[in-house]
Amino acid sequence: QSALTQPASVSGSPGQSITISCTGTSSDVGAYNHVSWYQQHPGNAPKRMIYDVSNRPSGVSSRFSGSKSGNTASLTISGLQAEDEADYYCCSYTRIDTLIFGGGTKLTVL
Amino acid sequence: EVQLSESGGGLVQPGGSLRLSCAASGFTFSSYGMSWVRQAPGKGLEWVSTIKDSGVNTYYTESVKGRFTVSRDNSKNTLYLQMDSLRAEDTAVYFCARRPPYTSGWYSFDYWGQGALVTVSS
Repeated sequence: QSALTQPASVSGSPGQSITISCTGTSSDVGAYNHVSWYQQHPGNAPKRMIYDVSNRPSGVSSRFSGSKSGNTASLTISGLQAEDEADYYCCSYTRIDTLIFGGGTKLTVL
Repeated sequence: EVQLSESGGGLVQPGGSLRLSCAASGFTFSSYGMSWVRQAPGKGLEWVSTIKDSGVNTYYTESVKGRFTVSRDNSKNTLYLQMDSLRAEDTAVYFCARRPPYTSGWYSFDYWGQGALVTVSS
């Protein structure tokens, strides 16, 4: 099964908002409300930012939000800050406890 | 504080075997499912395997089925990944990750270890 499709890179200036898309199929993103998003700084382990499409774990900034429409999920970061510069990965449930990740998006804060 | 710490990585020849361990602390290990996720150098994340809390139910990505075996010892708070018939394409950092309760996003990973590098090369 192919990875979910994410843009290779996005960029924005401090204070702006950006959105990262994650496109799957009717067998994964479109079929279940089990999309999660992870932030990974270089050399570090990933950190969960969003789960079940739009739920934000305790401790994660409210500047991060998630949504889904059809086969595409999205992560929006508002009020962009320098510390948000990182790689971001989406992940979706597919079938019988199988999970699939997106290829990752590098966010650059200009 | 939840802590996950992988060990056992290293250099192995193609066709060889390696066993990774993940020591868990700061939570009731026997109550949580656990997963392995890998990341090839410079590449994205790939889910590898999941084992449920009791250890009875296990799941694998297609490319490792029949070669990798996930297990756990709840008395030692430790997760394992036995990797046999290793290939060059298995070269990656292997992370262990906790699966939260169903009410808090079972289909995600809420805590991650720092990873163990496995290099398959002759």
